[in-house]
Amino acid sequence: AQTVTQSQPEMSVQEAETVTLSCTYDTSENNYYLFWYKQPPSRQMILVIRQEAYKQQNATENRFSVNFQKAAKSFSLKISDSQLGDTAMYFCAFMKQSNTGNQFYFGTGTSLTVIP
Amino acid sequence: GAVVSQHPSWVICKSGTSVKIECRSLDFQATTMFWYRQFPKQSLMLMATSNEGSKATYEQGVEKDKFLINHASLTLSTLTVTSAHPEDSSFYICSVGTSGSYEQYFGPGTRLTVT
Repeated sequence: AQTVTQSQPEMSVQEAETVTLSCTYDTSENNYYLFWYKQPPSRQMILVIRQEAYKQQNATENRFSVNFQKAAKSFSLKISDSQLGDTAMYFCAFMKQSNTGNQFYFGTGTSLTVIP
Repeated sequence: GAVVSQHPSWVICKSGTSVKIECRSLDFQATTMFWYRQFPKQSLMLMATSNEGSKATYEQGVEKDKFLINHASLTLSTLTVTSAHPEDSSFYICSVGTSGSYEQYFGPGTRLTVT
């Protein structure tokens, strides 16, 4: 079974500063995908960034970047120049492909608050 | 990305009754749909994966006779909570995808309250 662990239930950061959210996972799969999703108060899940496990290069999307350490099974999210709109729950997710379709497993989430 | 809707967005039902939640993919041929449950301040827990035209695959611990899933077309999946009890009160979220693709698009969720 796949497990995803986020060890920081809550975090806060000053506006314009940088914050890193941690995520580790456990799997025996070799090919998989990793994601960070944002869930604002509206509860709508929004994709922030994704990483293919076969790619060594860390993914970046504007102010968001990841530090993917495959051997350590670690997948942290760095948010630069934090903005008030970044306040949300952040979920790390693991995806594997199977005969019945892609299966996603989510971590327990980190509640991020950006302080003005 | 795909636009996914859920109906209703919020429902209250009495204990012992059944309630149906619809998940529609408005502009995307969803060969696979997922149903999640999210308790307050907790993560999304995958309940089941459904492929169009076939039976859903349920995660361990999820009662298939209680949570009936139908994926009749590429644009519609339904989750029916049968004989609902207060402990079934939760936020139910669907997502859609296609075989072979890592993309997954989420619906806005349905809040179920069982009194």
